[in-house]
Amino acid sequence: DIQLTQSPSSLSASVGDRVTITCRAGQNIGSYLNWYQQKPGKAPELLIHAISNLQIGVPSRFSGSGSRTEFTLTISSLQPEDFATYYCQQSYNTPLTFGPGTTVEVK
Amino acid sequence: QVQLQESGPGLVKPSQTLSLTCTVSGDSINNGNYYWSWIRQPAGKGLEWIGRIYFTGSINYNPSLKSRVTISLDMSKSQFSLKLTSVTAADTAIYYCARDAGPSSTSFYDFWGQGTLVTVSS
Repeated sequence: DIQLTQSPSSLSASVGDRVTITCRAGQNIGSYLNWYQQKPGKAPELLIHAISNLQIGVPSRFSGSGSRTEFTLTISSLQPEDFATYYCQQSYNTPLTFGPGTTVEVK
Repeated sequence: QVQLQESGPGLVKPSQTLSLTCTVSGDSINNGNYYWSWIRQPAGKGLEWIGRIYFTGSINYNPSLKSRVTISLDMSKSQFSLKLTSVTAADTAIYYCARDAGPSSTSFYDFWGQGTLVTVSS
């Protein structure tokens, strides 16, 4: 199985802050990396697929970058609705795996 | 708009079989552009991929669950189902069904059901 790690596991931030979350894969996964946002009591929602492709309807303050084994999700200016948990997910091979999550909390 | 809705018992006794169904609307389950997947999440924990099925009947399972899992399709009802046998408390989780764009793209889940909590307890 391809292991994904995320850092930090949680962070505290204020509205307007720039937030960066890192996802590292245990092997080269090329461009097969996606990002999801999950709010309490809700299903995850797709933010970005294939490293940097913004899902339709997702605000442009979200962006993704990276390659091979290291990937980044950036929120350029944190908004109140962005306080949530973020997961990366690899689709390079099965079993598809998710990172452990990063919780963005109010500072 | 594509919608997925999980249904099934919320309480299952240990050693018994967990059975869930996902009903798909707004898309055809025999759309060759998608896999149909099951994912679960224990309370307060991360996401675990259970498996997926393609309209041809091709299936992939998570090896960690493979001996206990069966995923099937009912195209006439636009549904796909999950069966997990010999459940224990460790199988208590929110179970999600989701649409996976894998066959036509890199795999990602663009539509999810709302999730259903299944508790394993006597």
